Amino acid sequence: AQSVSQHNHHVILSEAASLELGCNYSYGGTVNLFWYVQYPGQHLQLLLKYFSGDPLVKGIKGFEAEFIKSKFSFNLRKPSVQWSDTAEYFCAVPGEGTASKLTFGTGTRLQVTL
Amino acid sequence: EPEVTQTPSHQVTQMGQEVILRCVPISNHLYFYWYRQILGQKVEFLVSFYNNEISEKSEIFDDQFSVERPDGSNFTLKIRSTKLEDSAMYFCASRDTQGPETQYFGPGTRLLVL
Repeated sequence: AQSVSQHNHHVILSEAASLELGCNYSYGGTVNLFWYVQYPGQHLQLLLKYFSGDPLVKGIKGFEAEFIKSKFSFNLRKPSVQWSDTAEYFCAVPGEGTASKLTFGTGTRLQVTL
Repeated sequence: EPEVTQTPSHQVTQMGQEVILRCVPISNHLYFYWYRQILGQKVEFLVSFYNNEISEKSEIFDDQFSVERPDGSNFTLKIRSTKLEDSAMYFCASRDTQGPETQYFGPGTRLLVL
């Protein structure tokens, strides 16, 4: 089964700094990858998704991610973070079958300071 | 925008007691899920439900757990005899026939077992 790993557990950045959060996936045939965000006290929301085609995908709120097959990576980036980006970020991969559960990484807590 | 709702938002219970967590999925959705997140850990899949039956369940979803869609709107998770380690945030999610990333998550129920 596919799985994802996130190595940055807690990242602290100042406003306007650039962000890159790592996500690596295990090999498993067709690769679909997602990034979810969980703002404090809120539910999980989809930030962006990759299925095929252009390896650079753009999501909401200025986030983007690049699928690099040779590195088994799907890192999340944002050129300039804002205080409101403080949240937990999860990389996720779908399971097989019709009901397709999501398997999440351990998450990265991003704290943006003013 | 349609939302998945969950009740209660918080529940405190004594070890050994039964709890029922309730979810109202988005009305035209067909696939339903429960996930949980123990404090400080990743979001873990518990069970998926489609066409009035369980599609997939994780090893966490043992005989103490059950799910039900008692009517056309509610989707419940029952824990028969709670244990301390059941303390977690429980998320409900639902989606229509589109891809797995289109799961909409509820705000969660924080369960504390004493």
